[in-house]
Amino acid sequence: GAVVSQHPSRVICKSGTSVKIECRSLDFQATTMFWYRQFPKQSLMLMATSNEGSKATYEQGVEKDKFLINHASLTLSTLTVTSAHPEDSSFYICSARGQSEQYFGPGTRLTVT
Amino acid sequence: AQSVTQLDSQVPVFEEAPVELRCNYSSSVSVYLFWYVQYPNQGLQLLLKYLSGSTLVKGINGFEAEFNKSQTSFHLRKPSVHISDTAEYFCAVTLGGDSGGYQKVTFGIGTKLQVIP
Repeated sequence: GAVVSQHPSRVICKSGTSVKIECRSLDFQATTMFWYRQFPKQSLMLMATSNEGSKATYEQGVEKDKFLINHASLTLSTLTVTSAHPEDSSFYICSARGQSEQYFGPGTRLTVT
Repeated sequence: AQSVTQLDSQVPVFEEAPVELRCNYSSSVSVYLFWYVQYPNQGLQLLLKYLSGSTLVKGINGFEAEFNKSQTSFHLRKPSVHISDTAEYFCAVTLGGDSGGYQKVTFGIGTKLQVIP
């Protein structure tokens, strides 16, 4: 099946700094990617839909100025958590759109101290 | 909008025993249904999916699920579990049709399967 990678797998940053997470489709082109976050022992919640060459669509309640999404190419979408705070600590997972399903990356564990 | 209910948050089961993880969905239109497995600190791995056709779907690692439209259910089963099956399992739904992959995926809250030696 299709492969999606994420980098980094784990990141620790200080409060107030920004962190960038990359999501890449390795063997296919993805015009649409999705970003999810998962709190401990909870399900995945969709944050935004990232479309190549256009602005991302954010879910209700997600701050677009805090979670910047850039989908600059057909194989790369980035999520930047700006001015991170401890409450942003979470597991962030991206997925890339396929014909009938989405292909998920391995996730990025963000810890803000 | 579609929704998913996973009725059990945790399911303990002895090794080599059968298991069923329950999932119900609601939607006014056709849907695609999925089961994913998540091991600790890892992403999601697709176990199986139902798009159309045969209601009994076979997936990886010996899992299968049956789509029941009248009961709006998509329960996951395995006849004999192994220790390595210990993980979190998520049922998910998306709108069906040609654009299934284009649509937002709605996840259930997850069921933690704990296999006891």
